[in-house]
Amino acid sequence: LAKTTQPVSMDSYEGQEVNITCSHNNIATNDYITWYQQFPSQGPRFIIQGYKTKVTNEVASLFIPADRKSSTLSLPRVSLSDTAVYYCLDSQYNQGGKLIFGQGTELSVKP
Amino acid sequence: KAGVTQTPRYLIKTRGQQVTLSCSPISGHRSVSWYQQTPGQGLQFLFEYFSETQRNKGNFPGRFSGRQFSNSRSEMNVSTLELGDSALYLCASSLDTNGYTFGSGTRLTVV
Repeated sequence: LAKTTQPVSMDSYEGQEVNITCSHNNIATNDYITWYQQFPSQGPRFIIQGYKTKVTNEVASLFIPADRKSSTLSLPRVSLSDTAVYYCLDSQYNQGGKLIFGQGTELSVKP
Repeated sequence: KAGVTQTPRYLIKTRGQQVTLSCSPISGHRSVSWYQQTPGQGLQFLFEYFSETQRNKGNFPGRFSGRQFSNSRSEMNVSTLELGDSALYLCASSLDTNGYTFGSGTRLTVV
């Protein structure tokens, strides 16, 4: 059981902003949200993590509304190299090195 | 600094054989987790070791085992290989319960 829900796939074009939404209705008070990116035949790579409001780094932004039941990963001006699977994880289920991955969102960026 | 190193990168084995995969974590990381990734089941947690002790275990049969050495390097072993064991096996290391870094994985093919 994934504990988070994301769209299975999304399409975009180079230069566009992409927003991927994740639902985590059972998020607990102490939980935080982490997003990973995975390219084919490679391990997942940490993108961003947040607890509430907005977090931004050199790669992406993460928006978490006040009720924290969802979050949105925002990728500005995507390029072909952003084609990957993106996973949203709720830390509540990260116990002793055990990360619970859902199906992820397969993002396809077209020229 | 060096990342998580997994060897070998590719492996072909025959049904019934056994296989050992190796993972060298980032220097200073004491936690090593293992995951199996298949197209049908996605990323699934196998087990996690911390300071040579198995701290958490996923829902895999006893044919899957692991160990961790005093230098934090870890190995996983799969005995009596089945066709369904064909997968990408990923290892992740961490300094604490946050911030996991994955290796590039070992692609195991069972024929």
